[in-house]
Amino acid sequence: DAGVIQSPRHEVTEMGQEVTLRCKPISGHDYLFWYRQTMMRGLELLIYFNNNVPIDDSGMPEDRFSAKMPNASFSTLKIQPSEPRDSAVYFCASSGNLYEQYFGPGTRLTVT
Amino acid sequence: GNSVTQMEGPVTLSEEAFLTINCTYTATGYPSLFWYVQYPGEGLQLLLKATKADDKGSNKGFEATYRKETTSFHLEKGSVQVSDSAVYFCALPMDTGRRALTFGSGTRLQVQP
Repeated sequence: DAGVIQSPRHEVTEMGQEVTLRCKPISGHDYLFWYRQTMMRGLELLIYFNNNVPIDDSGMPEDRFSAKMPNASFSTLKIQPSEPRDSAVYFCASSGNLYEQYFGPGTRLTVT
Repeated sequence: GNSVTQMEGPVTLSEEAFLTINCTYTATGYPSLFWYVQYPGEGLQLLLKATKADDKGSNKGFEATYRKETTSFHLEKGSVQVSDSAVYFCALPMDTGRRALTFGSGTRLQVQP
């Protein structure tokens, strides 16, 4: 299996622009997680889905962030409008019928 | 909810030294416990896990034993290599019945030749 796939790997954008991060989970996994990693706050859970349905979005920072999972093989995390404090590495992870999660390589977002 | 505490880093060792990274947890019941490793520029990778008390997880020379008496899951390796330089995260489910994991703050290991 190819593992969790994320795109783009790097994104540089200007403040106020819309940013869309993409994730393809491992085939057959029914849980998908979005995390954000920064030096100051470590690894934070933003939202997770089960069978394409959002289960817990309490970690989403504010209304500027939204996430969707239109089907079992694709999810997006959108930030609109972006701000410099959104600069971080964003990880997607997926999980099957056990608790262990498999992470993608991450998207490094820089907002100038 | 459940929580985990890891020792602060960085930990700097010479090659072939013995490694211990401490992890203690607070949890309801006896959830599965995990160690993840993150190499520079990469995502987290599952290193090992233990699913019940007294279980020992092992992988790539690393070991950790699920100790319910001390609520600990310390990571150990008998002889570290330069290639083990990475950040190590201890993790467990956020809460009973929730599939999301809560991660420790991470411990950076630097191994010098």
